[in-house]
Parts: sequence; structure tokens; C-alpha cells
Amino acid sequence: DQQVKQNSPSLSVQEGRISILNCDYTNSMFDYFLWYKKYPAEGPTFLISISSIKDKNEDGRFTVFLNKSAKHLSLHIVPSQPGDSAVYFCAASAYGNKLVFGAGTILRVKS
Amino acid sequence: DGGITQSPKYLFRKEGQNVTLSCEQNLNHDAMYWYRQDPGQGLRLIYYSQIVNDFQKGDIAEGYSVSREKKESFPLTVTSAQKNPTAFYLCASSMYGQGQQYFGPGTRLTVT
Repeated sequence: DQQVKQNSPSLSVQEGRISILNCDYTNSMFDYFLWYKKYPAEGPTFLISISSIKDKNEDGRFTVFLNKSAKHLSLHIVPSQPGDSAVYFCAASAYGNKLVFGAGTILRVKS
Repeated sequence: DGGITQSPKYLFRKEGQNVTLSCEQNLNHDAMYWYRQDPGQGLRLIYYSQIVNDFQKGDIAEGYSVSREKKESFPLTVTSAQKNPTAFYLCASSMYGQGQQYFGPGTRLTVT
């Protein structure tokens, strides 16, 4: 039973355009959501997070949107850069407990 | 210079041998975690520990064992009972009750 789903295994975007990565969840107890970025053979690095009391959080080129009624969140990267090419994982937790990760989306930014 | 270290980066073992993966953190974090990553499957939780001398099974604990004798250290043993041990193993830590986890660089284990 996948509680966090990233339905797009991969995404290809032109440099300078917007990248939109999507994530859906099923557990209504989740109250904290995170996005991690991972390069091959390295550990994931934290990108941005959002708590369930907000619907948007922004940090530079990265914005996360949360739609609680749809149980959906998205990560927007604008403008996309070649260095953004990586695997992006969505994760969620309930009351500070262990994280549940999605399967990841491979982002390729073409120059 | 705080962080999480995992050693070694690459590890090779023969089938039937137990192997222990090291994870150390100097972030003064209470909780530590072990994940396994396989292609197309994201990160799956093996074991986690929220305080010293206590740990819980994650989603795929069979064939693995852990110990938490010190706050800074959370070694993972991959036993011969683990049917598909070849994978990329990631250790993480967090402050107790906080969602954000910090990851180590990972260990690639290959069993032949």
C-alpha cells in the first residue's frame, strides 16, 4: 500500500522553463511534507518542506504547493537549470514520525 | 563540521557472509534510520531508532539487524538471511519529533 505516490517516473524540461513535479498521498494524518533531491551514488539532500497549515512555501527557485483536499503536492522549479537534473523524492510524515517516501521522479533539464 | 558519515562507500561480499555497514553522526540527533534504495523503488525503511538502546523494525526488516549502543552510532548488519542484499544503503538522522532527516552519502553493497 503506497501512501505516497509519484506517478511520473521521469520528466524532461528545457533549460529556463518551469519543471513541475507531482506527488499524491493517501494518509490524511500526514501533516508535514518534504522534497529531497538525489544525485546517483549520493545521499538525498533536503530541498524544501511544507506543513499542512500552509498551502505554499517558497525558497528561491523552488516552490512547493499543497492541496490538502486533493491530497496532492507539487514542486515547481523555475527557471530550470541543467544542475537540477537529478531524482526528486517526495516524502511525508505524521506528527514528526518516520518519513514515507515516494518512488521518485527523474528530472532531466536539457540545455 | 557536523554531518553523517557512512563507511565504506563500496562494499563487496560473498553470498552467505554477514556484513556490517557503519553509520556515525555528530549532529546530536536523537533518531537514526536505515533505508535501502533499489532502482525504481524509492527509499524503503529497514530499521529506525528514536533513542539509545531502542529500535523498531521498518517496512523491510527481514534479514537485517541493528544496534544503538551510542547516540552517535547506528550500525546495520546485513545477514545471510537477506535474500537480495545487493543495494544502495542510506543512513539518516533527525531530531526527535521532527520530520526533516539528514542523509549520509550511502554505501553500495554488492553480494555475489
